[in-house]
Amino acid sequence: DQQVKQNSPSLSVQEGRISILNCDYTNSMFDYFLWYKKYPAEGPTFLISISSIKDKNEDGRFTVFLNKSAKHLSLHIVPSQPGDSAVYFCAASANTDKLIFGTGTRLQVFP
Amino acid sequence: DAGITQSPRHKVTETGTPVTLRCHQTENHRYMYWYRQDPGHGLRLIHYSYGVKDTDKGEVSDGYSVSRSKTEDFLLTLESATSSQTSVYFCAISGRTSGKYNEQFFGPGTRLTVL
Repeated sequence: DQQVKQNSPSLSVQEGRISILNCDYTNSMFDYFLWYKKYPAEGPTFLISISSIKDKNEDGRFTVFLNKSAKHLSLHIVPSQPGDSAVYFCAASANTDKLIFGTGTRLQVFP
Repeated sequence: DAGITQSPRHKVTETGTPVTLRCHQTENHRYMYWYRQDPGHGLRLIHYSYGVKDTDKGEVSDGYSVSRSKTEDFLLTLESATSSQTSVYFCAISGRTSGKYNEQFFGPGTRLTVL
């Protein structure tokens, strides 16, 4: 039973445009959400997070939106750059020491 | 970057042999984790540790054991490797303190192939 779902395995966006990556979850006990970015042959790197008490968190070109009623979060990247091409994982935690990860979305930013 | 190393980085082994992967950190973080990454499954937790000699199972722990005798080292052992354990293994650490969640930092990964 997949508690964290990323239904789009891939996304292709033109450089300079907005990239929107989506994530849905089923466990209403999740209270902290994170996005990780992964390049080939490297470990995932932390990108941005949001607590369930907020509905938006922004860090430079990256903004995460949380819609608790819909159990949905999204990552917006504006403007997209070729260096953003990677696999993006969303993850969630229910006030525990453990994270539950989605299956990932491969983003390709083309010139 | 967090000080996390994994060894070996690549390993090929045969079915039925024991394999041990090592994760070493220099951050003195309390929490350490082992994940596996497989296509279509994302990252799945195998085992984790919340202190020296304190470990617990994750969602895919069958066939794996762990040990943590020092803060800086977390070992993952495949007692008798099977082809289904061919995967990329990631170690992660977290400095979570009581009442506040901290993000996990990942090592570079170990690619394991079981023939």
